[in-house]
Amino acid sequence: GAVVSQHPSRVICKSGTSVKIECRSLDFQATTMFWYRQFPKQSLMLMATSNEGSKATYEQGVEKDKFLINHASLTLSTLTVTSAHPEDSSFYICSAKTASGVSYEQYFGPGTRLTVT
Amino acid sequence: AQSVSQHNHHVILSEAASLELGCNYSYGGTVNLFWYVQYPGQHLQLLLKYFSGDPLVKGIKGFEAEFIKSKFSFNLRKPSVQWSDTAEYFCAVNALNTGFQKLVFGTGTRLLVSP
Repeated sequence: GAVVSQHPSRVICKSGTSVKIECRSLDFQATTMFWYRQFPKQSLMLMATSNEGSKATYEQGVEKDKFLINHASLTLSTLTVTSAHPEDSSFYICSAKTASGVSYEQYFGPGTRLTVT
Repeated sequence: AQSVSQHNHHVILSEAASLELGCNYSYGGTVNLFWYVQYPGQHLQLLLKYFSGDPLVKGIKGFEAEFIKSKFSFNLRKPSVQWSDTAEYFCAVNALNTGFQKLVFGTGTRLLVSP
């Protein structure tokens, strides 16, 4: 149980284009999803918290107009990197919290590696 | 702001050696504590967690961790490591002051177990 998927697993895009990454909770409803960024050999840094049906809360230093987050349903959140640049190349990971039971745990997706050329 | 420190960035051990990875956090209030593992090419998996109660928690694959409140520590241990434990280990904390919403991660410890 508590499986989170991400699509795509890898994406290469050209500078200036936009990329959408999907995060789905497969077997549970997620009222809250989180988006992280992981640079090589570094830890995960929280980018934003998204609650179903409301606007995402972004961490300090994260451009909300560049990283668009939509949490349209209890099983899907999307992260769109707009006008991507090479410095946006990174590993993006989502996680989800269940709507019931123990609410302190997060279940992580497998990540999406974005390369901007 | 909360922070999580993992003292060892790289650890190399032989099989059957004992393991202890340090983790300290900065927040003084009520916290939940986690250890996650990331095997090569795989996603983060929860090893164990502490919410309340017995400060010695046991997780999967023979791992355990001890919460010492006075030291703000949550060190991970395993008596005898295996080659398959080669992975990156992350300590993480969420705290009451954020409604236990925001997970703050340590920088990770890369463990290499040689056969």
